Amino acid sequence: GDSVTQTEGQVALSEEDFLTIHCNYSASGYPALFWYVQYPGEGPQFLFRASRDKEKGSSRGFEATYNKEATSFHLQKASVQESDSAVYYCALPNYNVLYFGSGTKLTVEP
Amino acid sequence: DMKVTQMPRYLIKRMGENVLLECGQDMSHETMYWYRQDPGLGLQLIYISYDVDSNSEGDIPKGYRVSRKKREHFSLILDSAKTNQTSVYFCASSPGTANSDYTFGSGTRLLVI
Repeated sequence: GDSVTQTEGQVALSEEDFLTIHCNYSASGYPALFWYVQYPGEGPQFLFRASRDKEKGSSRGFEATYNKEATSFHLQKASVQESDSAVYYCALPNYNVLYFGSGTKLTVEP
Repeated sequence: DMKVTQMPRYLIKRMGENVLLECGQDMSHETMYWYRQDPGLGLQLIYISYDVDSNSEGDIPKGYRVSRKKREHFSLILDSAKTNQTSVYFCASSPGTANSDYTFGSGTRLLVI
């Protein structure tokens, strides 16, 4: 079935570092792709989505570009802050049900 | 205020006891979901509800059942809880249209001892 893979389980950075969290997908069709963020003690929150090739989604300084050829939707941020420490999930829908990757825990040191 | 509310936030139960997790939403969303979250496994879908009394199994339904008698309320029931059901449970809702995003609750942290 359709799925997403996040290769990094954990990422540790310092403030103002550049962030990349990798997400690759496997799908028979042309799915929309999502990023969610989960802060400690809370449920996941929708960050943004992209629905077609080369479309860029963005929110709160984070962005990702849908790359159909590479089957990727990597999350990036130019300069992370301590407040960005959270777990980030890539997701794709299959029959209106969202399937999530295993998540990447980002820790940003001051 | 658009939100999903889960009760209780924390729960400790003994093995074999029945467990009721409750979820409410104020957005009139048709579709609601129950997920569990375990370290390294991400979010796994337990059940999905398309509307009142219209429920379907997700990927890991064994040991769980659900009830949806009102559109705004979706319950998860564990009959005779097991220690391997210790987890964080999240409820979510969505309009149910293609590519719609989900609104999640803050979760219920269940410990079965």
